[in-house]
This record gives sequence, structure tokens and C-alpha cells, in this order.
Amino acid sequence: DSGVTQTPKHLITATGQRVTLRCSPRSGDLSVYWYQQSLDQGLQFLIQYYNGEERAKGNILERFSAQQFPDLHSELNLSSLELGDSALYFCASSDPGQGAETQYFGPGTRLLVL
Amino acid sequence: LAKTTQPISMDSYEGQEVNITCSHNNIATNDYITWYQQFPSQGPRFIIQGYKTKVTNEVASLFIPADRKSSTLSLPRVSLSDTAVYYCLVAPVSGNTPLVFGKGTRLSVIA
Repeated sequence: DSGVTQTPKHLITATGQRVTLRCSPRSGDLSVYWYQQSLDQGLQFLIQYYNGEERAKGNILERFSAQQFPDLHSELNLSSLELGDSALYFCASSDPGQGAETQYFGPGTRLLVL
Repeated sequence: LAKTTQPISMDSYEGQEVNITCSHNNIATNDYITWYQQFPSQGPRFIIQGYKTKVTNEVASLFIPADRKSSTLSLPRVSLSDTAVYYCLVAPVSGNTPLVFGKGTRLSVIA
């Protein structure tokens, strides 16, 4: 158990819909990262938040957005869903103060868009 | 970020030692080498991290030559439960940066 929790575990929805994925980082970790893993693209970085502020952006579509709240949990919002958005979405957290960084990954949310 | 190259797949029998080599020719002075393990439908899990020479923990050993252009993850006496994808990553020691995952090495352990 990494200490990172993600909800829901599974999500089935239809094209055009909007969903919200939630992540609670390990206690004390200030950084939260979102990654998408699909069969053809592998693990891809989407976006990073550090202590409530957006810090880095990766291959995140404009239809996707995220935020980190004062209690450090984070939400990833996916809107106007398309079939190709079906994937595993992982959240990871880290404490940059620990030196060379170790990211701890949650169990993921499996999204299926029908 | 330095690009890494590792074999796409490897097979091993139970009880054998497995060595997975990763090349990272463009590694920077302030980069660390980190290995993650991922089981199907689970998040990647940190295995080991090092900067130079040899690092050992309860799970694996990491060998890094002096030029740091490659590294080798060594898994002693693998079991069926070690079947997973293993990712080699290079990232700056300052941290707080996204990880760049390649395709990893799919290790299959056979009974």
C-alpha cells in the first residue's frame, strides 16, 4: 500500500460526458502528479501540482483540467469524453524535500468510455 | 531529461537471477537513476534508486558503472510474482519533476 488513494476504482460513462477523478496523496506529500496509461501510449504525464499551485504540464488535453485543494487532495476533471480517453489514470505523490525524488503511485482509476 | 533504452522483454525461470540493463547515454551530472516495477492494472512501485556504484536493498541491487551511461537492475532468485514490467528512469536529484516513462521491460518468470 503506497499511501496514495484514488477514487473511484472503476468508472464507466458515455461519450460526451464529464467525470471527476479524486486523489488523496500520502500524508505530508506536497506534490501530486497525474498520469494516463493506455495500451498504445504507455504511461504519460498529464499535470503536476505542488502545494496547491500548478507546477508542470505534460500531454494534457484542453478538455482535461485539474486542481489541488488546500488539504492537498487533487481532482482531475475530464470533459467531453471520447472513446480514446478510456485508460487507467494514476495519481502519484512525492515530498520533494526528501532529496532525489521517489513518487508513490495510487492504485489508479480505470475509465471506460462507451 | 535523459532518454533511456532497455530491452522490451525478458524471460526467466524461477530461482534464477535476472539482470535488466538500461542505457542512458545522455545522463546529466545531477541525474539519479530510478527503477519502478508495475504489475498489470496497478500503479508503478518504486524499487531502487542510485547515483553511482552499487546500491542494494531487500528487493534488488542496482549496479552503475563509473561513466553512469548505463545501469543494471539485478533481481536475485526471481519468483512467479516478479512477473511485471520494469521501468528505468533518469531524473534530476532536485526532484519535483514529472517522471518520463519509456516502454519498460516486460519480465516473464516461468515455473
